[in-house]
Amino acid sequence: EVQLVQSGAEVKKPGESLKISCKGSGYTFTNYWVAWVRQMPGKGLEWMGIIYPGDSDTRYSPSFQGQVTISADKSISTAYLQWSSLKASDTAMYFCARGYYYSDVWGRGTLVTVSS
Amino acid sequence: QSALTQPASVSGSPGQSITISCTGTSSDVGAYNYVSWYQQHPGKAPELMIYEVSNRPSGVSDRFSGSKSGNTASLTISGLQAEDEADYYCSSFTSSNTWVFGGGTKLTVL
Repeated sequence: EVQLVQSGAEVKKPGESLKISCKGSGYTFTNYWVAWVRQMPGKGLEWMGIIYPGDSDTRYSPSFQGQVTISADKSISTAYLQWSSLKASDTAMYFCARGYYYSDVWGRGTLVTVSS
Repeated sequence: QSALTQPASVSGSPGQSITISCTGTSSDVGAYNYVSWYQQHPGKAPELMIYEVSNRPSGVSDRFSGSKSGNTASLTISGLQAEDEADYYCSSFTSSNTWVFGGGTKLTVL
């Protein structure tokens, strides 16, 4: 079964760092792009960026460029989304999704809560 | 880049058809046939319903169809069923080699 398994919910304080993960299985991880999508509480989907694990080619939405870092470790079929200094406004559900022109497989999401 | 424009809500009775529009620009929807549509039930991950404007993934009901004219794409759901009640999002590839979502449309089945 093709699936993306995301890491568990996180509760952090403002200013802390965080790295969440998305592990692909059931397919050749290096052959498909992986995107990250944010959904703030009660709001819509926002495309953050995308990475090709085969060569780590990465693109960011202008809205998220410089705010987060997307990376991948192809040896363990895992993509990452990280923050160096969280803000309360980073509180959201974060989804990873497979695909370039469309996303046919989605992770269940990682809920990140940032609160003092 | 601005989000694509979708109606905030649409509604219909069981058995009826509804259409959700998704308006972009000549730099996204109008420029490429890379428009996709996603269904999201509360508390769940999005699910791909339509890709490349009008293609249905395996397993998606043929009651769902997509089209595009100029800078506006559309999702039509025919024979509305209770389980179709969900949020729907369009997405498009852009000339910046990035992607953009619509603001989402809440479908209510009356």
